[in-house]
Amino acid sequence: QVQLVQSGAEVKKPGASVKVSCKASGYTFTSYGISWVRQAPGQGLEWMGWISAYNGNTNYAQKLQGRVTMTTDTSTSTAYMELRSLRSDDTAVYYCARAGYDILTGFYYFDYWGQGTLVTVSS
Amino acid sequence: QLVLTQSPSASASLGASVKLTCTLSSGHSSYAIAWHQQQPEKGPRYLMKLNSDGSHSKGDGIPDRFSGSSSGAERYLTISSLQSEDEADYYCQTWGTGIRGVFGGGTKLTVL
Repeated sequence: QVQLVQSGAEVKKPGASVKVSCKASGYTFTSYGISWVRQAPGQGLEWMGWISAYNGNTNYAQKLQGRVTMTTDTSTSTAYMELRSLRSDDTAVYYCARAGYDILTGFYYFDYWGQGTLVTVSS
Repeated sequence: QLVLTQSPSASASLGASVKLTCTLSSGHSSYAIAWHQQQPEKGPRYLMKLNSDGSHSKGDGIPDRFSGSSSGAERYLTISSLQSEDEADYYCQTWGTGIRGVFGGGTKLTVL
């Protein structure tokens, strides 16, 4: 069965960086993309970006451009999300999600989700 | 600009049915969406993808009580025979040009 298992909770100081991992299993890793989504306390879901596990192409949300980097390691079927220059409003649960692609509609949808990683930014 | 609009809250009685709505912004009425459920203190779970013609395909293990339909720019999620575990936040999601994910604000469903 498809599983996405994320790394554990992190506590960081403002200005630091965090790198969250997402290990995939149960499917051919390079046949799908991975998106990262975050959820601040009491808030809705916010899309952060997408990476193709096939060729490493990325696309990031405009508000995070310059602070976020998404990568993959195909040898271990693991995706990574690094966020730099952390601020208090980056405190959130970070999720990875498998991005399936519907050829007929040209639409990416998130059909499996990781369990989430809480990142707390506090001095 | 591609925007998904959802009512912040909805409620229905145990055993009844409820229809949640996700509205696509002007000019985007042909877009497909996906519905996701987030139970309290849990991560999101994919329910289904829903096309503009109302055809939909559900994720693994999603009960038949969950169904989708479409009308114009509106996409619906209907839950029948409501159970207590259906009390959750429901998010719609789509995809814009230039590879960009978009979420609606979510609807908090209360089962009375």
